[in-house]
Amino acid sequence: GDSVTQMEGPVTLSEEACLTINCTYTATGYPSLFWYVQYPGEGLQLLLKATKADDKGSNKGFEATYRKETTSFHLEKGSVQVSDSAVYFCALFSGGYNKLIFGAGTRLAVHP
Amino acid sequence: NAGVTQTPKFQVLKTGQSMTLQCAQDMNHNSMYWYRQDPGMGLRLIYYSASEGTTDKGEVPNGYNVSRLNKREFSLRLESAAPSQTSVYFCASSESRGQGAETQYFGPGTRLLVL
Repeated sequence: GDSVTQMEGPVTLSEEACLTINCTYTATGYPSLFWYVQYPGEGLQLLLKATKADDKGSNKGFEATYRKETTSFHLEKGSVQVSDSAVYFCALFSGGYNKLIFGAGTRLAVHP
Repeated sequence: NAGVTQTPKFQVLKTGQSMTLQCAQDMNHNSMYWYRQDPGMGLRLIYYSASEGTTDKGEVPNGYNVSRLNKREFSLRLESAAPSQTSVYFCASSESRGQGAETQYFGPGTRLLVL
């Protein structure tokens, strides 16, 4: 079945460091891909998305590119801030199952 | 515009007790969802409702029932709580009928502890 695999955390970085959180997927067809973010004590909110191969989603300085050849959708940011500390979830929309499928989540901690 | 609201925020139950988690959205969305979040497992879909009057099982429906009371409200019921149902529960909604790349909007969650 369709699935999402993302790197285990926690990821600990100093402020202004570069961030990459890896995400790969298995799916039939061409799913839409998402990154959701969960700040402490809150629900998930959409960070960015991409709906077809080579699309780049971006928001709040974060970017991710839909790579069909490597079935990947890695999340990147050039300079993280303390306020970026959160749990990040990669997800795909499975047309076959008509639902969002989430990865396990990666916790990011950014220190001053 | 409150978005998606959930009550209660936190609940402790004893094994065998029942309870209902409430969810409401004010965005006039057609589709609503219930997920559970467990450490290391991401979010798993329990039930969803593509439109008012319809409900469907998700990945982990056993031990739960749902009611789509109207377009705004979607409740999740635990008839006889078990320790394995200790989790954080999230309600979400989306505009259309669960198709394609639409965004899901999440509530703040209900933390449930079953002793």
